[in-house]
Amino acid sequence: DVKVTQSSRYLVKRTGEKVFLECVQDMDHENMFWYRQDPGLGLRLIYFSYDVKMKEKGDIPEGYSVSREKKERFSLILESASTNQTSMYLCASSYTESFNYGYTFGSGTRLTVV
Amino acid sequence: GQSLEQPSEVTAVEGAIVQINCTYQTSGFYGLSWYQQHDGGAPTFLSYNALDGLEETGRFSSFLSRSDSYGYLLLQELQMKDSASYFCAVLGFQKLVFGTGTRLLVSP
Repeated sequence: DVKVTQSSRYLVKRTGEKVFLECVQDMDHENMFWYRQDPGLGLRLIYFSYDVKMKEKGDIPEGYSVSREKKERFSLILESASTNQTSMYLCASSYTESFNYGYTFGSGTRLTVV
Repeated sequence: GQSLEQPSEVTAVEGAIVQINCTYQTSGFYGLSWYQQHDGGAPTFLSYNALDGLEETGRFSSFLSRSDSYGYLLLQELQMKDSASYFCAVLGFQKLVFGTGTRLLVSP
């Protein structure tokens, strides 16, 4: 069964900490994405990557950075965590040319910044 | 930019048919997708429409009208397990932009 695995299901961090959220996929997908999900706001795209070492800003990149050193791994970094970054973070991956198969999402990391 | 509108909540009874509408405004459009998300779970892919018309997959169907910037998800023979949030999403260049989601409540 194909999988996108996020390293933590729940995470509590302090304001100002540097936070790393890890995502690994085993489907050899070219594209990987980070979204955050908040009630009433749906899923909003933070960053995405369509190849190793490539990254593109999404709709809300401020306060975040990403790293993709290997095809299967895409990391989201909160440089200095703030309380407004408390959210559910979802990682996803996809093939470039197979839109009919959609995105495969991980189970999410619920991050609380205190 | 891109924006999508869908109802926030829909209620229905088991066995009924329900339609969830989605209208969109976008600067680039390749297709419209639908995702299902149960509480506490990951979004899962349901359908993708690149061309006008109706696509059927079992009890679920999805429709697209590109000229009207409109689509819908049709769920037939509703079951309790269909209670979930449903998101429409526009595929633009390289990325999906999601709507805010419709919460479907199915009652006995």
